[in-house]
Amino acid sequence: QVQLQQWGAGLLKPSETLSLTCAVYGGSFKNYYWSWTRQPPGKGLEWLGEIGPSGSTNYNPSLKSRVTISMDTSKNQFSLRLTSVTAADTGLYYCTRVSRGVLPPFYYFYYMDVWGKGTSVIVSS
Amino acid sequence: SSELTQDPAVSVALGQTVRITCQGDSLRSYYASWYQQKPGQAPVLVISGKNNRPSGIPARFSGSSSGNTASLTITGTQAEDEADYYCNSRDNSVNYVMFGGGTKLTVL
Repeated sequence: QVQLQQWGAGLLKPSETLSLTCAVYGGSFKNYYWSWTRQPPGKGLEWLGEIGPSGSTNYNPSLKSRVTISMDTSKNQFSLRLTSVTAADTGLYYCTRVSRGVLPPFYYFYYMDVWGKGTSVIVSS
Repeated sequence: SSELTQDPAVSVALGQTVRITCQGDSLRSYYASWYQQKPGQAPVLVISGKNNRPSGIPARFSGSSSGNTASLTITGTQAEDEADYYCNSRDNSVNYVMFGGGTKLTVL
């Protein structure tokens, strides 16, 4: 059974850089996309970005200039880096495994079937 | 546009059927996925693809789609189904992934 274990600094000051890492245990790393999603306190889910098997990335346009997702296939890990954080970046950050593709006749699917437990990040001076 | 719209809150009597809907242009070409989130827990996938339930998800959960609207139906709602539910899709034109705003389900 695939498990995602995530870690990283939970308390940051404004303007610092958020760095989180997610390790994949018990399943294939190379055949999936991997993504990061966050949830501000009391609010809904926000997709941050994803990285594919080839290392290609897609990011939420609202964060594109500040966010970087990378991966280390030798360790089955992927990471999130968010620069210049503010209080608005406070929340729970989740790493997820993504399955995506197309079904006949021509309908796409996209889902996150494995989630990490979440890392609480607080940005405060 | 790259948005998914959900009703903020829905209530259902214990044992009855409830439908939670999600609207968005991307759903004309994407199956929505659905997630259940209980307080203090990470979201859990309950429906993916056309109408697929991951292992461990009860058969009372089902999904459907028509035009720009996807629906999550819970038949014979149980008290433990009280949670927030989010739909999720992708917009290929801008490589953007989106969530609906979430629906808080209350079981009466």
